[in-house]
Amino acid sequence: GAGVSQTPSNKVTEKGKYVELRCDPISGHTALYWYRQSLGQGPEFLIYFQGTGAADDSGLPNDRFFAVRPEGSVSTLKIQRTERGDSAVYLCASRDWGTDTQYFGPGTRLTVL
Amino acid sequence: QKEVEQNSGPLSVPEGAIASLNCTYSDRVSQSFFWYRQYSGKSPELIMSIYSNGDKEDGRFTAQLNKASQYVSLLIRDSQPSDSATYLCAVMNNQGGKLIFGQGTELSVKP
Repeated sequence: GAGVSQTPSNKVTEKGKYVELRCDPISGHTALYWYRQSLGQGPEFLIYFQGTGAADDSGLPNDRFFAVRPEGSVSTLKIQRTERGDSAVYLCASRDWGTDTQYFGPGTRLTVL
Repeated sequence: QKEVEQNSGPLSVPEGAIASLNCTYSDRVSQSFFWYRQYSGKSPELIMSIYSNGDKEDGRFTAQLNKASQYVSLLIRDSQPSDSATYLCAVMNNQGGKLIFGQGTELSVKP
């Protein structure tokens, strides 16, 4: 079946601009995660949704970052007033209820000039 | 101290050899442990999960867990050039919760 999809695959923006990154999880997966990966590092947790609600947002670095999942499926990560330090690959993962395995999407490479 | 630590490598082994990848973690209540493989420019792909002390084998891969020593490892037997990738160790503390990753170990298998 279809895996996790993310759009866009690449996003180049200017410092101070607003961006939205989209994640479409595996159909039926109730849990959805956002991670951020910088070059040479492992993914770093940002936020976890169980259904429509954010079950854990402890990884969001500051209030410029916000994520929603209004219908319990597609999620959007929103970054306001982007900074050069936000440049990274943003990964989305989803998990089926009752299992531990997280399946990752291809990621969105964000570059802030 | 980082929550999950791995040697960044690169680890270089000849084709056909055993590659040994190691990972330590700091939180004793960790319950679930995962090894992901990540090719350059791609997203992480799960290759092994382990939950209990001891060994777990899947084809050429063996994961080993020692909770007393807070240590998890991955052995790759008969290494192939196609195994060349970064291997990420990840730990989950709560059922269904977030993964905490190490920085990854780069493995290079030379023909």
